[in-house]
Amino acid sequence: EPEVTQTPSHQVTQMGQEVILRCVPISNHLYFYWYRQILGQKVEFLVSFYNNEISEKSEIFDDQFSVERPDGSNFTLKIRSTKLEDSAMYFCASEEGRKYEQYFGPGTRLTVT
Amino acid sequence: AQRVTQPEKLLSVFKGAPVELKCNYSYSGSPELFWYVQYSRQRLQLLLRHISRESIKGFTADLNKGETSFHLKKPFAQEEDSAMYYCALRDTGFQKLVFGTGTRLLVSP
Repeated sequence: EPEVTQTPSHQVTQMGQEVILRCVPISNHLYFYWYRQILGQKVEFLVSFYNNEISEKSEIFDDQFSVERPDGSNFTLKIRSTKLEDSAMYFCASEEGRKYEQYFGPGTRLTVT
Repeated sequence: AQRVTQPEKLLSVFKGAPVELKCNYSYSGSPELFWYVQYSRQRLQLLLRHISRESIKGFTADLNKGETSFHLKKPFAQEEDSAMYYCALRDTGFQKLVFGTGTRLLVSP
């Protein structure tokens, strides 16, 4: 069964550094998402992406964040200048169409020191 | 604002006992409700959604609009049901999921 994949599984970075988290959604899916989960807290929506543009974003998704689908298969989340509070598990999800099922990746644990 | 509340962080039961994981939501429209499950070291996966009205792995959930609840139930818990369970809501006009804080279900032998 096709799955969403994410790399790396764990990323450690220093405060102020840029990080890029990568996701490969399921190949025929059209909608893409990033969520994050700070340790001990709920899974929070960051951004949704459709037709090569952001369709919805949360208040968390400020100018430090950006998303891209550079080559038709990867879907990336960039954090320009990481802060300690960006430490979290970041989940990518994809969906075949509107109101289908969102399939989640295994997550990337980001640790900012 | 949309909100999903799961009042129990941990629910511990014995194998064969009934299980009810509570979920309440606040939303003014007609949301779509889901239960997601995360087994140890695995990814989040959809367990069931209210519009499909299915029973998956013996679990059922009924949307009660009057009580704004979507509790997850299983008559006889199994050890393999031990996992983290998240209730989630989706606004009819949007794509994003709004999650509750999750309930860890622990089923002991």
